[in-house]
Order: sequence, then structure tokens, then C-alpha cells
Amino acid sequence: SQQGEEDPQALSIQEGENATMNCSYKTSINNLQWYRQNSGRGLVHLILIRSNEREKHSGRLRVTLDTSKKSSSLLITASRAADTASYFCATDGMEYGNKLVFGAGTILRVKS
Amino acid sequence: DTAVSQTPKYLVTQMGNDKSIKCEQNLGHDTMYWYKQDSKKFLKIMFSYNNKELIINETVPNRFSPKSPDKAHLNLHINSLELGDSAVYFCASTPGGRDYGYTFGSGTRLTVV
Repeated sequence: SQQGEEDPQALSIQEGENATMNCSYKTSINNLQWYRQNSGRGLVHLILIRSNEREKHSGRLRVTLDTSKKSSSLLITASRAADTASYFCATDGMEYGNKLVFGAGTILRVKS
Repeated sequence: DTAVSQTPKYLVTQMGNDKSIKCEQNLGHDTMYWYKQDSKKFLKIMFSYNNKELIINETVPNRFSPKSPDKAHLNLHINSLELGDSAVYFCASTPGGRDYGYTFGSGTRLTVV
């Protein structure tokens, strides 16, 4: 079953602006991960945040996790045209065993 | 060097045929997965192997049979292909255990006509 749900489904911004994507999930988790998928390509792991962490940074990426609200956000600062892609959150849930369950994704378009 | 490689990249075949997709990882990871991505980009896990042992087998038709000859390889054989099998199939690997990201292959786009 689908665990995470991303919001918005699609986002269009100008180069240089910040992009924020949100993810909500349903059950307790061990960690939450964000992935990027360029058109016609495989998924690339961006960042992993553990259930006992609240915020994590990696370059222009900032991820927050609120386990009380069962939600996470991914912020991409100073976006570039090359950031155009689909972004997925995925949860490693305590009930799932050793597997990731993916949300439906957010399509990000960065216009130059 | 490609970390997780899948072959073929594209596969077009007729209904009723049997086909295989191969996956190899050179990362030394213990756990490998098959995911299916449908036309709406939704990713669903199909199978997982840890060190050649099947550990996850989701509700997948038994026409789909995975096989792991060693921990670096995970193949997917599909019998009696149906139109609804058309999708992109991704192989992925992880060191195993918790708190590791997955490394995905570039996918195999299967089209059943």
C-alpha cells in the first residue's frame, strides 16, 4: 500500500527561487528518504533522515521531519534548471520489514 | 563503472511471451530489490533478496519469478506476459539493515503489445 503522499503533485518555479515539497505518511517509521528521478532515468538517493532527527542539510537541500504530524518537507534553495525532475519521499516503516514504500511524487519544473 | 546495471533497457514483446530482465550490482551490497513503476510514476516493491535469500514477496502474480544466483545478481523472469505488465521495472540494492539509501538501476521499460 502507498505510505507517503507528496504535496503538491506538481510545482513550477523560476530559476533562483526556492522549492518546497511536502510528504505525509501514515505509520511509525525508522527513517524517511527523498529521491530524485530525472525523466527516463532511475531514482537517485538524495537524503535520509532518521526518526529521531528533526532536520538535515545536504548542499542546497534541507529536509525536516515532524514525527508527531507524520510529515516531512524537502526544501531546495536557489533552484536551477537542472533540478527539474520528479521528487519522491519514501519511508522505511517499522511495520514493513526491510523495504521502502514510496509516495506518488512531486513533479518540479524549474524555468530558466 | 555502473553501480547497478540492468539489461535490457527497453523490451518490446507480444502478449503471451516469456521474458527476463537481468540486474547486477558491483557495490558489494547484501540486499537487492525489484520495483515496478506504472504509467502514473507510482513505485511498488515486488521482491527483495538478502544474500540470495528471498525475504520480501509482495502480492505479485506467480507469473513473475525472481532468481538470485549470487548476491550481486537478481534477475526477473516473467511468463505469459500481459498488457498490464507494461511498466518500467527498477532494480535496486542496499547494504542491508536500516538507515541506508537505495541505489537504483536505470530501469527496463517493458512494453507488451
